[in-house]
Amino acid sequence: EVQLVESGGGLVQPGGSLRLSCAASGFTLSSYEMNWVRQAPGKGLEWISYISSSGSTIYYADSVKGRFSISRDNAKKSLYLQMNSLRAEDTAVYYCVREAKAEGFDYWGQGTLVTVSS
Amino acid sequence: SYELTQPPSVSVSPGQTARITCSGDALPKKYAYWYQQKSGQAPVLVIYEDTKRPSGIPERFSGSSSGTMATLTISGAQVEDEADYYCYSTDSSGNHRRVFGGGTKLTVL
Repeated sequence: EVQLVESGGGLVQPGGSLRLSCAASGFTLSSYEMNWVRQAPGKGLEWISYISSSGSTIYYADSVKGRFSISRDNAKKSLYLQMNSLRAEDTAVYYCVREAKAEGFDYWGQGTLVTVSS
Repeated sequence: SYELTQPPSVSVSPGQTARITCSGDALPKKYAYWYQQKSGQAPVLVIYEDTKRPSGIPERFSGSSSGTMATLTISGAQVEDEADYYCYSTDSSGNHRRVFGGGTKLTVL
Protein backbone atom coordinates (compact mmCIF):
# COMPACT_ATOMS: atom_id res chain seq x y z
CA GLU A 1 0.00 0.00 0.00
CA VAL A 2 1.35 3.40 -0.99
CA GLN A 3 1.77 5.67 2.02
CA LEU A 4 3.07 9.21 2.33
CA VAL A 5 3.40 10.56 5.86
CA GLU A 6 4.32 14.17 6.43
CA SER A 7 5.85 15.51 9.62
CA GLY A 8 7.53 18.62 10.93
CA GLY A 9 4.66 21.07 10.89
CA GLY A 10 3.86 23.36 13.79
CA LEU A 11 3.73 26.94 14.99
CA VAL A 12 6.55 29.25 13.92
CA GLN A 13 7.06 33.00 14.17
CA PRO A 14 7.20 35.22 11.08
CA GLY A 15 10.69 35.18 9.64
CA GLY A 16 11.40 31.77 11.12
CA SER A 17 12.26 28.45 9.51
CA LEU A 18 10.79 24.97 9.46
CA ARG A 19 11.72 21.72 7.75
CA LEU A 20 9.01 19.36 6.60
CA SER A 21 9.65 15.68 5.97
CA CYS A 22 7.67 13.09 4.06
CA ALA A 23 8.24 9.40 4.62
CA ALA A 24 7.35 7.23 1.64
CA SER A 25 6.48 3.55 1.78
CA GLY A 26 4.78 0.93 -0.37
CA PHE A 27 6.59 1.96 -3.57
CA THR A 28 10.07 2.71 -4.90
CA LEU A 29 10.57 6.42 -4.21
CA SER A 30 13.48 6.68 -6.65
CA SER A 31 11.14 5.86 -9.54
CA TYR A 32 8.83 8.83 -9.00
CA GLU A 33 8.79 12.58 -9.27
CA MET A 34 7.48 14.27 -6.15
CA ASN A 35 5.78 17.53 -5.23
CA TRP A 36 4.65 19.67 -2.34
CA VAL A 37 1.18 21.19 -2.51
CA ARG A 38 -0.33 23.43 0.16
CA GLN A 39 -3.79 24.56 1.15
CA ALA A 40 -4.39 27.65 3.26
CA PRO A 41 -7.32 27.43 5.70
CA GLY A 42 -10.58 27.59 3.75
CA LYS A 43 -8.75 28.10 0.45
CA GLY A 44 -7.88 26.08 -2.62
CA LEU A 45 -4.91 23.92 -3.53
CA GLU A 46 -1.63 25.58 -4.45
CA TRP A 47 1.27 23.71 -6.05
CA ILE A 48 4.54 24.97 -4.59
CA SER A 49 7.42 22.71 -5.63
CA TYR A 50 8.50 19.78 -7.83
CA ILE A 51 11.55 17.53 -7.77
CA SER A 52 12.52 14.93 -10.36
CA SER A 53 13.12 11.31 -9.42
CA SER A 54 16.89 11.80 -9.23
CA GLY A 55 16.66 15.23 -7.66
CA SER A 56 18.44 16.87 -10.57
CA THR A 57 15.49 19.01 -11.70
CA ILE A 58 13.58 21.30 -9.36
CA TYR A 59 10.83 23.87 -9.89
CA TYR A 60 9.13 26.32 -7.54
CA ALA A 61 6.04 28.47 -7.58
CA ASP A 62 6.79 32.17 -7.61
CA SER A 63 5.20 32.52 -4.16
CA VAL A 64 7.97 30.47 -2.50
CA LYS A 65 10.92 30.81 -4.86
CA GLY A 66 14.05 31.92 -3.02
CA ARG A 67 12.60 31.03 0.39
CA PHE A 68 11.75 27.31 0.15
CA SER A 69 14.00 24.44 -0.89
CA ILE A 70 12.89 20.95 -1.90
CA SER A 71 15.15 17.92 -1.63
CA ARG A 72 14.98 14.16 -1.41
CA ASP A 73 16.93 11.19 -0.10
CA ASN A 74 15.88 8.13 -2.05
CA ALA A 75 17.96 5.84 0.12
CA LYS A 76 16.07 7.05 3.19
CA LYS A 77 12.76 7.02 1.25
CA SER A 78 12.17 10.62 2.20
CA LEU A 79 11.18 13.97 0.69
CA TYR A 80 11.91 17.30 2.38
CA LEU A 81 10.84 20.92 2.25
CA GLN A 82 13.06 23.51 3.92
CA MET A 83 11.04 26.66 4.53
CA ASN A 84 12.84 29.90 5.42
CA SER A 85 11.70 33.49 5.91
CA LEU A 86 8.20 32.29 6.69
CA ARG A 87 5.28 34.68 6.38
CA ALA A 88 1.74 34.66 7.71
CA GLU A 89 0.51 33.81 4.22
CA ASP A 90 2.51 30.56 4.32
CA THR A 91 0.07 29.25 6.93
CA ALA A 92 -1.42 26.13 5.36
CA VAL A 93 -1.66 22.37 5.35
CA TYR A 94 1.29 21.06 3.37
CA TYR A 95 0.82 17.87 1.36
CA CYS A 96 3.48 15.55 0.02
CA VAL A 97 2.31 14.29 -3.39
CA ARG A 98 3.57 11.55 -5.68
CA GLU A 99 3.54 12.30 -9.40
CA ALA A 100 3.09 9.46 -11.87
CA LYS A 101 3.80 9.99 -15.57
CA ALA A 102 0.26 9.25 -16.72
CA GLU A 103 -1.85 9.66 -13.60
CA GLY A 104 -0.33 12.93 -12.43
CA PHE A 105 -0.67 13.55 -8.71
CA ASP A 106 -1.87 10.07 -7.89
CA TYR A 107 -1.13 9.71 -4.16
CA TRP A 108 -1.31 12.34 -1.44
CA GLY A 109 -0.25 12.31 2.18
CA GLN A 110 -2.65 13.45 4.90
CA GLY A 111 -0.83 16.73 5.26
CA THR A 112 0.93 18.62 8.04
CA LEU A 113 -0.23 21.99 9.32
CA VAL A 114 2.16 24.92 9.37
CA THR A 115 1.04 28.01 11.26
CA VAL A 116 3.05 31.21 10.96
CA SER A 117 2.08 33.60 13.72
CA SER A 118 3.57 35.70 16.48
CA SER B 1 1.08 33.55 -14.79
CA TYR B 2 -1.04 30.68 -16.06
CA GLU B 3 -4.52 30.24 -14.60
CA LEU B 4 -7.26 27.63 -14.67
CA THR B 5 -10.78 28.97 -14.11
CA GLN B 6 -13.58 27.00 -12.45
CA PRO B 7 -17.06 28.08 -11.29
CA PRO B 8 -17.11 28.55 -7.51
CA SER B 9 -20.14 26.35 -7.01
CA VAL B 10 -22.44 23.86 -8.72
CA SER B 11 -25.61 22.48 -7.21
CA VAL B 12 -27.70 19.50 -8.30
CA SER B 13 -30.34 17.19 -6.86
CA PRO B 14 -29.48 13.53 -6.23
CA GLY B 15 -29.65 11.53 -9.46
CA GLN B 16 -29.06 14.55 -11.68
CA THR B 17 -25.99 15.13 -13.81
CA ALA B 18 -23.41 17.56 -12.49
CA ARG B 19 -20.96 19.25 -14.84
CA ILE B 20 -17.96 21.18 -13.61
CA THR B 21 -15.90 23.14 -16.11
CA CYS B 22 -12.27 24.23 -16.15
CA SER B 23 -10.93 26.70 -18.67
CA GLY B 24 -7.32 27.42 -19.51
CA ASP B 25 -5.40 28.60 -22.54
CA ALA B 26 -3.01 25.63 -22.50
CA LEU B 27 -5.67 22.93 -22.28
CA PRO B 28 -5.62 22.26 -26.05
CA LYS B 29 -1.99 21.14 -25.54
CA LYS B 30 -1.96 19.88 -21.96
CA TYR B 31 -4.00 17.24 -20.16
CA ALA B 32 -6.50 18.09 -17.44
CA TYR B 33 -6.73 16.17 -14.18
CA TRP B 34 -9.53 16.27 -11.63
CA TYR B 35 -9.37 15.86 -7.85
CA GLN B 36 -12.13 15.37 -5.32
CA GLN B 37 -11.61 16.71 -1.80
CA LYS B 38 -14.10 15.99 0.93
CA SER B 39 -14.10 18.06 4.09
CA GLY B 40 -11.05 17.45 6.24
CA GLN B 41 -9.51 14.94 3.85
CA ALA B 42 -6.69 14.88 1.35
CA PRO B 43 -7.58 15.20 -2.35
CA VAL B 44 -8.29 12.07 -4.38
CA LEU B 45 -7.64 11.69 -8.11
CA VAL B 46 -10.87 11.00 -10.02
CA ILE B 47 -9.89 11.70 -13.65
CA TYR B 48 -6.47 11.82 -15.35
CA GLU B 49 -5.31 12.66 -18.88
CA ASP B 50 -8.64 14.37 -19.64
CA THR B 51 -10.82 11.25 -19.77
CA LYS B 52 -9.29 8.33 -17.86
CA ARG B 53 -10.68 7.03 -14.59
CA PRO B 54 -8.41 5.46 -11.96
CA SER B 55 -9.35 2.08 -10.60
CA GLY B 56 -11.82 2.32 -7.75
CA ILE B 57 -13.47 5.51 -9.02
CA PRO B 58 -17.17 4.96 -9.83
CA GLU B 59 -18.19 4.92 -13.49
CA ARG B 60 -20.48 7.89 -12.95
CA PHE B 61 -17.36 10.07 -13.01
CA SER B 62 -16.19 11.00 -16.50
CA GLY B 63 -14.06 13.65 -18.11
CA SER B 64 -13.86 15.39 -21.45
CA SER B 65 -11.87 18.18 -23.02
CA SER B 66 -12.43 20.38 -26.02
CA GLY B 67 -10.39 23.40 -26.95
CA THR B 68 -9.64 25.51 -23.90
CA MET B 69 -12.20 23.80 -21.67
CA ALA B 70 -12.16 20.56 -19.72
CA THR B 71 -15.28 19.19 -18.09
CA LEU B 72 -15.85 16.79 -15.22
CA THR B 73 -19.25 15.09 -15.44
CA ILE B 74 -20.90 13.18 -12.62
CA SER B 75 -23.81 11.25 -14.06
CA GLY B 76 -26.43 10.49 -11.46
CA ALA B 77 -24.75 12.42 -8.68
CA GLN B 78 -24.99 10.91 -5.20
CA VAL B 79 -25.10 12.67 -1.85
CA GLU B 80 -21.64 11.24 -1.13
CA ASP B 81 -20.25 13.08 -4.17
CA GLU B 82 -20.69 16.39 -2.37
CA ALA B 83 -17.16 17.79 -2.17
CA ASP B 84 -14.76 20.35 -3.57
CA TYR B 85 -13.44 19.52 -7.02
CA TYR B 86 -10.19 20.88 -8.44
CA CYS B 87 -8.87 20.74 -11.97
CA TYR B 88 -5.12 20.63 -12.51
CA SER B 89 -2.84 21.03 -15.47
CA THR B 90 0.53 22.36 -16.50
CA ASP B 91 1.64 25.49 -18.27
CA SER B 92 2.65 25.07 -21.91
CA SER B 93 5.04 28.00 -21.94
CA GLY B 94 8.00 25.87 -20.92
CA ASN B 95 8.27 27.00 -17.32
CA HIS B 96 7.03 23.61 -16.06
CA ARG B 97 4.70 25.18 -13.51
CA ARG B 98 1.88 23.04 -12.17
CA VAL B 99 -1.44 24.84 -11.68
CA PHE B 100 -4.71 24.10 -9.89
CA GLY B 101 -8.01 25.70 -10.64
CA GLY B 102 -9.68 27.63 -7.84
CA GLY B 103 -11.99 24.75 -7.00
CA THR B 104 -15.72 24.13 -7.32
CA LYS B 105 -17.96 23.29 -4.40
CA LEU B 106 -20.44 20.63 -5.52
CA THR B 107 -23.63 20.51 -3.49
CA VAL B 108 -25.93 17.51 -3.91
CA LEU B 109 -29.26 17.95 -2.17
